[in-house]
Amino acid sequence: AQRVTQPEKLLSVFKGAPVELKCNYSYSGSPELFWYVQYSRQRLQLLLRHISRESIKGFTADLNKGETSFHLKKPFAQEEDSAMYYCALRDPYSGAGSYQLTFGKGTKLSVIP
Amino acid sequence: DTAVSQTPKYLVTQMGNDKSIKCEQNLGHDTMYWYKQDSKKFLKIMFSYNNKELIINETVPNRFSPKSPDKAHLNLHINSLELGDSAVYFCASSQETENTEAFFGQGTRLTVV
Repeated sequence: AQRVTQPEKLLSVFKGAPVELKCNYSYSGSPELFWYVQYSRQRLQLLLRHISRESIKGFTADLNKGETSFHLKKPFAQEEDSAMYYCALRDPYSGAGSYQLTFGKGTKLSVIP
Repeated sequence: DTAVSQTPKYLVTQMGNDKSIKCEQNLGHDTMYWYKQDSKKFLKIMFSYNNKELIINETVPNRFSPKSPDKAHLNLHINSLELGDSAVYFCASSQETENTEAFFGQGTRLTVV
């Protein structure tokens, strides 16, 4: 069964410091991986997906199949980055109606001014 | 226009009651989902549903049942509510294609007293 692990429940960094939110996954094939973010009192929304290989709001994430990781990084944290971050995996081969996401437990990022 | 909308936003009810949460999406997506976010912010899939198939997470009690009157709606019915059902419930939808984004509703905070 697939599993997503986010080892840090809470991560506090100072404004301007680098940020790395860790995500490891357990999956036998080639998964689809995503980072979702939930700002305070807002809905969960997509931040980025591994297939896009793009930078969103200064964040990037590289899929490392050897280490089965998909860590989220940003070189300089901003106060507005404070939020709950979820790493998520989707099994692209699970068949019709099964495009559900398996989420990690989430990491709360707190950026200290 | 809101893409995925849930009602109500807050729901406070007594143990033993039966309640429903409504969800509607106007994105033309073919698959809808219900997720539960517990007090520790852990997100877990409850159901995924399209016009062909309902997939139920085996850990979900049968007191929970999704009802889909049409492709744009997936309502969640809960019978005989228990204290442990208190959580935030998120509806989501996506298209059944690879690497597609899931769009989430704003959540319904259910409190059972």
